[in-house]
Amino acid sequence: DSGVTQTPKHLITATGQRVTLRCSPRSGDLSVYWYQQSLDQGLQFLIQYYNGEERAKGNILERFSAQQFPDLHSELNLSSLELGDSALYFCASSPLGSGELFFGEGSRLTVL
Amino acid sequence: KNQVEQSPQSLIILEGKNCTLQCNYTVSPFSNLRWYKQDTGRGPVSLTIMTFSENTKSNGRYTATLDADTKQSSLHITASQLSDSASYICVVSVSGNNRKLIWGLGTSLAVNP
Repeated sequence: DSGVTQTPKHLITATGQRVTLRCSPRSGDLSVYWYQQSLDQGLQFLIQYYNGEERAKGNILERFSAQQFPDLHSELNLSSLELGDSALYFCASSPLGSGELFFGEGSRLTVL
Repeated sequence: KNQVEQSPQSLIILEGKNCTLQCNYTVSPFSNLRWYKQDTGRGPVSLTIMTFSENTKSNGRYTATLDADTKQSSLHITASQLSDSASYICVVSVSGNNRKLIWGLGTSLAVNP
């Protein structure tokens, strides 16, 4: 158990819909990262937050947005969903200064 | 261009055998190199993190090596177990103002009884 909690574990929805994925980082970790992993693909970095502020942006689509709240939990919002958005979405947190990433178990999104 | 390439793409070995996975990178400026293990459908788990000055680092039956001159790393697994079946991902950290992680595509290892 990494200490990073992601909900929901599984989500099935239809094209055009909007979903929200939630992540609670490890206690004390200020950084939260979001990654996307499509079937048989590598992890694609989406976005990083540090203590509520956006720190880095990767290959995140305009239809996707994220935020980190004062209690440090983070949400990833995916809208106007397309079939190609079906993937595993991972959240990771990192303690200050270490750079080591601790990943949650992921949210598996299926768009039908 | 910052890139991380791993080989082989996939590997099948028998339980109890050793194996070595390779990682070549063209990343600059280099900060550190990490190896992660990812079980199917699960989140990656860190095995080792190596900085520029470290040549070898072990974590149980996993031993990582780093040659910063040739920009190569290897992950050696000793006396493999069925539970070693997973994807092994090499990740290189870029330092400086444009800090980021460059992820390899992973080596898929299957350990058969």
